[in-house]
Amino acid sequence: GNSVTQMEGPVTLSEEAFLTINCTYTATGYPSLFWYVQYPGEGLQLLLKATKADDKGSNKGFEATYRKETTSFHLEKGSVQVSDSAVYFCALKGKAAGNKLTFGGGTRVLVKP
Amino acid sequence: GAVVSQHPSWVICKSGTSVKIECRSLDFQATTMFWYRQFPKQSLMLMATSNEGSKATYEQGVEKDKFLINHASLTLSTLTVTSAHPEDSSFYICSAKYQGDTQYFGPGTRLTVL
Repeated sequence: GNSVTQMEGPVTLSEEAFLTINCTYTATGYPSLFWYVQYPGEGLQLLLKATKADDKGSNKGFEATYRKETTSFHLEKGSVQVSDSAVYFCALKGKAAGNKLTFGGGTRVLVKP
Repeated sequence: GAVVSQHPSWVICKSGTSVKIECRSLDFQATTMFWYRQFPKQSLMLMATSNEGSKATYEQGVEKDKFLINHASLTLSTLTVTSAHPEDSSFYICSAKYQGDTQYFGPGTRLTVL
């Protein structure tokens, strides 16, 4: 079956530091890949996505590249802000009809001023 | 746009009682909603897919008689945990599908069963 593994947190950074959250997946075929973010007290929001190999998703300064050869979709941001403090979830969705979202365990990120 | 709310955000109940959790799409109509369960430091696990006007589709291992789902309108789905026990304590999250395959998530409901 499908599965997603992401690095455990919490990750604590200073403002303007570089952020990387590793995500690897196991799936049959070529799934679509997602990063969701959950700010305190809010629902999960789609941050970015990529639907095929070598695609790069980007949003709000975050980027992730779909790497088929390493089955990875690592999230990066060059200079984090305090407002980026949140829990980040990596997820995949298979291409077959009816396939559902499979989530990683989430990584809590805390950015200190 | 595409806001999903849940009520209550936090509930404590006694063992053996039933608890209802509401999931509403505030500014759009959702024919399909999803219910997830999240244990501490673990992934969101899909419990069931809720389709307006029809029976929910439950994932393997989820007891349909324990977790009753009703999607009676295009903006409301409810999850009722019947005869709750301490092992049902968890964080329950709903989402609604809008504009194709994108899911919009509610903020979650924390259930504690004493």
